[in-house]
Amino acid sequence: DAKTTQPNSMESNEEEPVHLPCNHSTISGTDYIHWYRQLPSQGPEYVIHGLTSNVNNRMASLAIAEDRKSSTLILHRATLRDAAVYYCMERGGYNKLIFGAGTRLAVHP
Amino acid sequence: DTGVSQNPRHKITKRGQNVTFRCDPISEHNRLYWYRQTLGQGPEFLTYFQNEAQLEKSRLLSDRFSAERPKGSFSTLEIQRTEQGDSAMYLCASSLGQPGRQETQYFGPGTRLLVL
Repeated sequence: DAKTTQPNSMESNEEEPVHLPCNHSTISGTDYIHWYRQLPSQGPEYVIHGLTSNVNNRMASLAIAEDRKSSTLILHRATLRDAAVYYCMERGGYNKLIFGAGTRLAVHP
Repeated sequence: DTGVSQNPRHKITKRGQNVTFRCDPISEHNRLYWYRQTLGQGPEFLTYFQNEAQLEKSRLLSDRFSAERPKGSFSTLEIQRTEQGDSAMYLCASSLGQPGRQETQYFGPGTRLLVL
């Protein structure tokens, strides 16, 4: 079972920042936090991952709480193409991904 | 396009028939995964290969399901005697697994199965 909790849905307006929260209160010290997203009618795609420090890439930023019990995926300027289901996962020594239900993000023009 | 490809993209079959899906991973990726996704849910892990060896199978993978990855390249997932409950999207992913490094899985577009 997924060990993370996320809101079922969120909404944003185009060009505005979006903060997608994830709780992972039982995460172990060596587990990474991974985010994937799934656009409509497509397979999931990798977004970002991190361990302790905040991380940035061309798609998003990941802010990890100091106690590592939560994290936030930040889309700096949402576009219509960012409308998707966003999944947050703990990832340790296991190879498989364990998806929860994710957060469905709607982006309004 | 050098991404993960899956065929067919859609399959409609009658209950009791056998179906086979194919996944072609990104070349040189040593790991290959199969997941199943039903409507409104996140993908669920089915099985995992490292090269040609099937290293893990989920309890979801009943005896009617079999997966192979001959020669460590493409993979097939076969479902025998399909049931209506097998209707789902079947997703394949591949990755380059390296010891001590977090891997990124690259997913194909999936095969949508409908069992009538």
